[in-house]
Amino acid sequence: ILNVEQSPQSLHVQEGDSTNFTCSFPSSNFYALHWYRWETAKSPEALFVMTLNGDEKKKGRISATLNTKEGYSYLYIKGSQPEDSATYLCASRTGANNLFFGTGTRLTVIP
Amino acid sequence: DGGITQSPKYLFRKEGQNVTLSCEQNLNHDAMYWYRQDPGQGLRLIYYSQIVNDFQKGDIAEGYSVSREKKESFPLTVTSAQKNPTAFYLCASSPRQGYEQYFGPGTRLTVT
Repeated sequence: ILNVEQSPQSLHVQEGDSTNFTCSFPSSNFYALHWYRWETAKSPEALFVMTLNGDEKKKGRISATLNTKEGYSYLYIKGSQPEDSATYLCASRTGANNLFFGTGTRLTVIP
Repeated sequence: DGGITQSPKYLFRKEGQNVTLSCEQNLNHDAMYWYRQDPGQGLRLIYYSQIVNDFQKGDIAEGYSVSREKKESFPLTVTSAQKNPTAFYLCASSPRQGYEQYFGPGTRLTVT
């Protein structure tokens, strides 16, 4: 079992603020890092899959970076909106191909 | 509409009874997965299947069983041997093992 950690556990921000949170994972035998967004009462939805050190992916106001040498990824949300409220999950994949999930960061954007 | 369905959304059972959770996908994915979520914990892998008629134990397989007789279906049975069955169960699929996973809406099982 891989130890994937996310911080903070929960976060409240005002609408319009930018925010970021962290996913830490073991850097040995790393293959890919997945980010998912999980809104209440819905299914988790894939945001990004990153594999290369220094990768940066962007989707609208959300972006993510990856550092495989030190074993962390940041997720950034620019100008948070109430619809960004969700739990953001990261999962690390090793060469064995299964995903190991963190506990998630629960984001609440206050209008 | 392509996707993954899980039924029912809520399920209640008495202790000592086996219960089967349904998971169906029409995405033509080879791989399917079952996860369990408990408060304060990440998703934990129960079982996965890379292809029809094959499945492997995940990290917490004890007290569970699965079958994969059809590509689109991967039912999970929670047996009476599972000590703490009350949890939220998520099913997922991916084109191949290790690819991006697509999740169903989940089933919340309560055993009393």
